[in-house]
Amino acid sequence: NAGVMQNPRHLVRRRGQEARLRCSPVKGHSHVYWYRQLPEEGLKFMVYLQKENIIDESGMPKERFSAEFPKEGPSILRIQQVVRGDSAAYFCASSLRHPTNEKLFFGSGTQLSVL
Amino acid sequence: AQTVTQSQPEMSVQEAETVTLSCTYDTSESDYYLFWYKQPPSRQMILVIRQEAYKQQNATENRFSVNFQKAAKSFSLKISDSQLGDAAMYFCAYRSDYGGATNKLIFGTGTLLAVQP
Repeated sequence: NAGVMQNPRHLVRRRGQEARLRCSPVKGHSHVYWYRQLPEEGLKFMVYLQKENIIDESGMPKERFSAEFPKEGPSILRIQQVVRGDSAAYFCASSLRHPTNEKLFFGSGTQLSVL
Repeated sequence: AQTVTQSQPEMSVQEAETVTLSCTYDTSESDYYLFWYKQPPSRQMILVIRQEAYKQQNATENRFSVNFQKAAKSFSLKISDSQLGDAAMYFCAYRSDYGGATNKLIFGTGTLLAVQP
């Protein structure tokens, strides 16, 4: 059983470009979470999605950031017109069901570097 | 809003010795979960141990145990018989457990643990 797969592992973008980060959850999992880890900090919640629905986007910046989790395919975190402050590691986690006693499985993250 | 504080940015321990990592949190909720995650250089977040707030008994997983003091809002991690493979960043995390809660975790800033041979 494959775990949470994130790609690319490293992504370099120039200021103003778009970044697309992909997350394939554990097979059968329909709940996906995105977290961001800035240098020297812990992970910060960004968004929680179920298949085709955004449930909680309270941690996601209102502008330039969007997320989706389509019926088929991976979850995508999209950052438009990247700026240097977007440089961070972005982690995806998945769970089978909603209840809070469900274990979260994390991916190894995508390191985004903005030049 | 809930917060998690780890006041030790770095810790060091000799191989085979015991080390304790500190974590305090702030919440007005009575039902929640607390976690310790390990993040090695590979960046993979690995769950070390979990504690349900309603349980008085401290959680234990092999060489890892916690000291959960609910009234003091303290949740420390003890690593016994430290091994070189324990070297990593350790994060304390909080999660609500009320009816509408999700799996949204609130993390501390981490403690970098070095293990000396």
